[in-house]
Amino acid sequence: DTAVSQTPKYLVTQMGNDKSIKCEQNLGHDTMYWYKQDSKKFLKIMFSYNNKELIINETVPNRFSPKSPDKAHLNLHINSLELGDSAVYFCASSQVLAGGVQETQYFGPGTRLLVL
Amino acid sequence: LAKTTQPISMDSYEGQEVNITCSHNNIATNDYITWYQQFPSQGPRFIIQGYKTKVTNEVASLFIPADRKSSTLSLPRVSLSDTAVYYCLVGVGGGYNKLIFGAGTRLAVHP
Repeated sequence: DTAVSQTPKYLVTQMGNDKSIKCEQNLGHDTMYWYKQDSKKFLKIMFSYNNKELIINETVPNRFSPKSPDKAHLNLHINSLELGDSAVYFCASSQVLAGGVQETQYFGPGTRLLVL
Repeated sequence: LAKTTQPISMDSYEGQEVNITCSHNNIATNDYITWYQQFPSQGPRFIIQGYKTKVTNEVASLFIPADRKSSTLSLPRVSLSDTAVYYCLVGVGGGYNKLIFGAGTRLAVHP
């Protein structure tokens, strides 16, 4: 069984369109994340949700709106897509631990978004 | 957040031991050191984590000196399938961890 799954795997769309990427985890984790990996391969965090509440919101255009209907799902909706949004978007999940231990994050396979 | 510095790329041959060193001079007292591996077209995958001294698992070893300002990931007897990007991360700790990925080290293993 896939631990963290994303749909779609590939997404090709025109500038100005609105699109959504879905993420699901079956690990029972309470925290989920969205990362963006650009053409230079830098991987940057965008958002994080803990128990459906937004806890990390990096400097991301407000065209990007995450939504967490429940602990196992974190979707990413993007409005008015721009050329610069082309990248690979990774979803991840983890279980927050107490005591300062950095928990392991489990990543999905990625969604390759190409905006034309 | 502690910044990390790693070599941009490394080359090795099958069967050799590979050591990738990461510098993190500003590591905080409660920070752990974690290494992730990313294959092409896949998401990063946790390899190993440590706080001090040495940690070993079935995949790798992590050596951390007493001052914790650096760490070395050791991959024993690499194979072609170990070709990947390796990221060294130093976390905030205490939950809600925001992983800060640097450029990573591109390891190429040759036959």
